[in-house]
Amino acid sequence: QSVLTQPPSVSAAPGQKVTISCSGSSSNIGDNYVSWYQHLPGTAPKLLIYDNNKRPSGIPDRFSGSKSGTSATLGITGLQTGDEADYYCGTWDSSLSAGLFGGGTKLTVL
Amino acid sequence: DVQLVESGGGLVQPGGSLRLSCAASGFTFSRYSMNWVRQAPGKGLEWVSYIHGSSRSTIYYADSVKGRFTISRDNARNSLYLQMNSLRAEDTAIYYCARDNILTGYSPNFDYWGQGTLVTVSS
Repeated sequence: QSVLTQPPSVSAAPGQKVTISCSGSSSNIGDNYVSWYQHLPGTAPKLLIYDNNKRPSGIPDRFSGSKSGTSATLGITGLQTGDEADYYCGTWDSSLSAGLFGGGTKLTVL
Repeated sequence: DVQLVESGGGLVQPGGSLRLSCAASGFTFSRYSMNWVRQAPGKGLEWVSYIHGSSRSTIYYADSVKGRFTISRDNARNSLYLQMNSLRAEDTAIYYCARDNILTGYSPNFDYWGQGTLVTVSS
C-alpha cells in the first residue's frame, strides 16, 4: 500500500468537475512540493501540475492543483471523455529520502 | 525536441541481472536530475531511483531495490543507466526514465518521460 493515499476511482459526467485527493504526512506532502501526472495505459505519464499548483506549458487551465497541510488535491473542470485515465500524485519523503507516488486514481467520464 | 529512449529490457530468470539504458537528446543532459520509475502489471507507478545532474554522488533508492539496483549516468554520452542485480519476480514491470526539471520547479517535476522498457523476471 502506498504512503500517499488516493481514492481508487472517481467518476463524473462530461462537462462536470471532479477532484482527486492525495493524503500524506508531515514528512512527505507536509514538507515537500507535490506534482500530478496523467497516465494512459501503454503511454508515457504526462506531467499536469508541479510545485503544488503550477501548470506546464500546454496543460489547459481546466487542470488545477492545491495543497493544504499534509493533503493535496487535483481538480479537473469541463470534463472530456479524453480525460479518462489514471492520475497520480507525487512528492518526496524527507524522512525516507525517497520519491513517492500515490496509488493512483482511475477517472471515468460517464 | 526532448527525447528519452529506454532500452535493455527483456526476459531474465530470478536472481539474474539486467542493465537498462536511457538515451537522452534535445536538452543539456548534465543540468537535469534523472529518475527511474516503474509500473508493475496491474499496479500503479512506483518511484525507483534518483541521480543528481552534476553531483552524481547524490543518489537515492526506493527501499524495495536498495542494495540490488545501481543508478548511474554518463553526461558525456547523454545516458542514464540502471544496473539491476538479484532480480525477483516482483521486479517485473515497465521501467521509465524521467527527467526531473529542477531548473523550473522543485522536485519531483518529472516533465519528460520515455516510453518505457519492459522487464520480465520469470523462470
